[in-house]
Amino acid sequence: DILMTQTPLSLSVTPGQPASISCKSSQSLLHSDGKTYLYWYLQKPGQSPQLLIYEVSNRFSGVPDRFSGSGSGTDFTLKISRVEAEDVGVYYCMQSIQLPLTFGGGTKVEIK
Amino acid sequence: QVQLQESGPGLVKPSETLSLTCTVSGGSINNYYWSWIRQPPGKGLEWIGYIYYSGSTNYSPSLKSRVTISVDTSRNQFSLKLNSVTAADTAVYYCARFGNKGAAAWGQGTLVTVSS
Repeated sequence: DILMTQTPLSLSVTPGQPASISCKSSQSLLHSDGKTYLYWYLQKPGQSPQLLIYEVSNRFSGVPDRFSGSGSGTDFTLKISRVEAEDVGVYYCMQSIQLPLTFGGGTKVEIK
Repeated sequence: QVQLQESGPGLVKPSETLSLTCTVSGGSINNYYWSWIRQPPGKGLEWIGYIYYSGSTNYSPSLKSRVTISVDTSRNQFSLKLNSVTAADTAVYYCARFGNKGAAAWGQGTLVTVSS
């Protein structure tokens, strides 16, 4: 199985300030088709996870442009340029290059 | 907009079979992968398996011996059966639709508790 490791475990951010979450995979997520199968999800308190970013850096429909994803191979980053109160929750990265699909352990983002 | 809704018993006895159904509305079940994912209380997400609308399946190796996922395209539903459950199977179970952009649609989740 591909191990997904997220850091930090938690983050407390002042509104309007940036935030950054790292996700490292135990194997490269670059497929021979040229795509990198790394996704970011946000699980707001009491809700289901929602898709933020697909294939490293593509924002899903309706996701604010303050969210951005970057990285390649085995190292990836989710950045929030200016954190807002509605961004609180747990962020998960996920890989789908190889079955079983695996998720990172999650990063909890709170507002100061 | 597609919506997914899990249904099934919220309490299952140890050693029995957990059975859940996901009903898809607002869109066809065709041409997507349909997954079950679970989340033990206070913990992270675990992929259980998926079924393609045609019926082909793939399961997590850690659960493969106990899991069956099936699809009923006529009812726009897919189902999960997990047998020989223990307390470790207590979790919120989500159904989700996977397309070429990942899991873009999720159900609200249903808590299943394994207890006598």
